[in-house]
Amino acid sequence: DAGITQSPRHKVTETGTPVTLRCHQTENHRYMYWYRQDPGHGLRLIHYSYGVKDTDKGEVSDGYSVSRSKTEDFLLTLESATSSQTSVYFCAMGTGDEKLFFGSGTQLSVL
Amino acid sequence: QQQVKQSPQSLIVQKGGISIINCAYENTAFDYFPWYQQFPGKGPALLIAIRPDVSEKKEGRFTISFNKSAKQFSLHIMDSQPGDSATYFCQGGNTGNQFYFGTGTSLTVIP
Repeated sequence: DAGITQSPRHKVTETGTPVTLRCHQTENHRYMYWYRQDPGHGLRLIHYSYGVKDTDKGEVSDGYSVSRSKTEDFLLTLESATSSQTSVYFCAMGTGDEKLFFGSGTQLSVL
Repeated sequence: QQQVKQSPQSLIVQKGGISIINCAYENTAFDYFPWYQQFPGKGPALLIAIRPDVSEKKEGRFTISFNKSAKQFSLHIMDSQPGDSATYFCQGGNTGNQFYFGTGTSLTVIP
């Protein structure tokens, strides 16, 4: 977890409300990723970034948006949270040689 | 569609035994195959990785066996210890692109 932190660690919210999760890294890595982890599905890529203001969709991007205005920060926004977005969210940073370093995760519950 | 298929979902092994987890992939463009280890409440951490130009890679008690023609790779944990109890994820991907995780295997090593 060194060099990458996520906030908040836990969040409970209501259906229909917007939610923003934050990821901060201190390693100056170019690549950053957002994954969600669900039982039976493993880790699925939501969005990723290959530089400031350069982002792309992953395999489960519907209902999510991201922004990266600085190298060190990568934000994940749920525009209007739904119960199906209850999950554990992990941010990761990449060195450029495919190795990923993950944060400790955010447990999100949408009621 | 699951890009990387992982089995078994759960595994119980006696201390000192061999733990074997298997993965299969379809995309022949994949050129990087890591295994990640995840402890409860933590993010996944890179354990060991292999590229398709070799058939085996060993690091301590952990070995990856790779069969390019069958599009399969496996993780072998020799002399399994209770401290190895964790969830293991395989991953497939190619340089500069998205990476796809398997669904995970929960390993329990009984003392």
